Amino acid sequence: DTAVSQTPKYLVTQMGNDKSIKCEQNLGHDTMYWYKQDSKKFLKIMFSYNNKELIINETVPNRFSPKSPDKAHLNLHINSLELGDSAVYFCASSQEGFPNEQFFGPGTRLTVL
Amino acid sequence: QKEVEQDPGPLSVPEGAIVSLNCTYSNSAFQYFMWYRQYSRKGPELLMYTYSSGNKEDGRFTAQVDKSSKYISLFIRDSQPSDSATYLCATPYSGAGSYQLTFGKGTKLSVIP
Repeated sequence: DTAVSQTPKYLVTQMGNDKSIKCEQNLGHDTMYWYKQDSKKFLKIMFSYNNKELIINETVPNRFSPKSPDKAHLNLHINSLELGDSAVYFCASSQEGFPNEQFFGPGTRLTVL
Repeated sequence: QKEVEQDPGPLSVPEGAIVSLNCTYSNSAFQYFMWYRQYSRKGPELLMYTYSSGNKEDGRFTAQVDKSSKYISLFIRDSQPSDSATYLCATPYSGAGSYQLTFGKGTKLSVIP
């Protein structure tokens, strides 16, 4: 059973479109995250959600919005896609608090044409 | 400060070599250090972790922390082609009322048969 899953695995779309990426975790964790990994492999936190509350937003454009229907799901909605949004997006989850060991999903490779 | 610095490499070694992967950090309050391994087109997975100063060994892998020099190392003995991956160091930090992880930029390792 996959601990953290994401769909779709690949997403190719045109500039200006709106798209969503889904994430689910079956680990019973309290907190979920979205990361962006660029072509140089740098992993940058975008959001984290704890008990349906956003607790971090690291200078991410407001075209990106996380939505959490319940504790096991954190979806990422992206409006008006731009070329610079092309990257791999990872979902992760952890228990709240120290040491914050995070478990990652397989990633969604987004390509904006 | 919440930064962890890591040489991105790439690093290429022959099979059987001893590999040393390193990170430095600037915040002396950091106590807990993790190493994640990321295979190509996969999500990062937690490889091992260590507290404060000292060594932790797990099979062919040894994690070492030197708090006096703020240096984190991962040693791989008898390296195998299956060890070819990007290795990311990480440490939890407290911010915005919760713990998050800060990651190094990752070192890409290739083990040549």
